[in-house]
Amino acid sequence: QQQVKQSPQSLIVQKGGIPIINCAYENTAFDYFPWYQQFPGKGPALLIAIRPDVSEKKEGRFTISFNKSAKQFSLHIMDSQPGDSATYFCAASDNQGGKLIFGQGTELSVKP
Amino acid sequence: EAQVTQNPRYLITVTGKKLTVTCSQNMNHEYMSWYRQDPGLGLRQIYYSMNVEVTDKGDVPEGYKVSRKEKRNFPLILESPSPNQTSLYFCASSVQGYFAYEQYFGPGTRLTVT
Repeated sequence: QQQVKQSPQSLIVQKGGIPIINCAYENTAFDYFPWYQQFPGKGPALLIAIRPDVSEKKEGRFTISFNKSAKQFSLHIMDSQPGDSATYFCAASDNQGGKLIFGQGTELSVKP
Repeated sequence: EAQVTQNPRYLITVTGKKLTVTCSQNMNHEYMSWYRQDPGLGLRQIYYSMNVEVTDKGDVPEGYKVSRKEKRNFPLILESPSPNQTSLYFCASSVQGYFAYEQYFGPGTRLTVT
């Protein structure tokens, strides 16, 4: 079963738009929620991460919003650029046990 | 340069022929892990190792073995590969298991089993 569910599967926005990617989790033992960015032919790279006791975290144009009661979190990309075109994965980690569970991924395309 | 390396990058093999994908990191990380990436399924953890002495199963360990004899190396072994193991494989490492959310990934190994 998929412990972290991600949507949408793909997303197309115009340059300057604000794509939003959503994730939901089930296991309340998860204690860290990272987002990874993957360009074609490359391995994923950590973009930004949030703890469940924080409702929002910003790093540059990337913002994570976290709703602990709903067990949902989302990634917003402000002023999106063609260079942001990539596949984005949300994830949840059980740091005590060392597991990292990924969502299904969202392929983002930012059109010029 | 701090990095995770994997070899080979591409591999085509036949059903049942044992193979090993090597993984090495030069960051002195305690934690290492293997994932497979399949369309629509994201990345799924195969095995992970908290340190040289501790290795544990991830979500999809069937058909795979790992070995952690040294801190820097974590090879993935397919003793009898089958076509359903055709996938893109990634090795990753982290400072320690408590920071499993922050992993550094290798470039990937694309495996085709015919």
